[in-house]
Amino acid sequence: EAGVAQSPRYKIIEKRQSVAFWCNPISGHATLYWYQQILGQGPKLLIQFQNNGVVDDSQLPKDRFSAERLKGVDSTLKIQPAKLEDSAVYLCASRVLRGTGNTIYFGEGSWLTVV
Amino acid sequence: KQEVTQIPAALSVPEGENLVLNCSFTDSAIYNLQWFRQDPGKGLTSLLLIQSSQREQTSGRLNASLDKSSGRSTLYIAASQPGDSATYLCAVRLDNYGQNFVFGPGTRLSVLP
Repeated sequence: EAGVAQSPRYKIIEKRQSVAFWCNPISGHATLYWYQQILGQGPKLLIQFQNNGVVDDSQLPKDRFSAERLKGVDSTLKIQPAKLEDSAVYLCASRVLRGTGNTIYFGEGSWLTVV
Repeated sequence: KQEVTQIPAALSVPEGENLVLNCSFTDSAIYNLQWFRQDPGKGLTSLLLIQSSQREQTSGRLNASLDKSSGRSTLYIAASQPGDSATYLCAVRLDNYGQNFVFGPGTRLSVLP
């Protein structure tokens, strides 16, 4: 079974530029998450999708971050304009469906450096 | 607001030692708790998942316990090996509609040969 795929793996941009990250979850996984992990900290949820609907985006900085999952499969996270403090790893994760006992699977992350 | 802490932040042990990693959470109304491993430059890999009604889970040399009422979980690693070197994170799944996972900052483990 293929895992959660993310691209690009690494990106360096200047502040005020834009960047987009792509995620392909495990086939059949209805729930998709985007997390931000700053160096030395645990991941922080940015947005959670159930199929193509947003379940939780309360911690997403909506003035600069946006995310979509148009067909309920792939997802894209965009940052525009980027700030220095956006330097982090952006992790995509997926789960089978809502309910107990279903573990969450993570991709290897997209590493963003803003200079 | 649920907060998750982990002690110690870093740990270095010689190979073969048994060790305990600690996780604390402030709100006992959790759905489950999960322990993850993160290798440098990699994503997170799930190690053990404990439902809120369970007390412990075991997988190989790993044993995780949960004391929901006191807001604590421990990860016990027996006979540590250099390959166990990684960052270990615990995460609680909140008992609400959003089903969000709240992560601790992790414990960075180094097992010396």
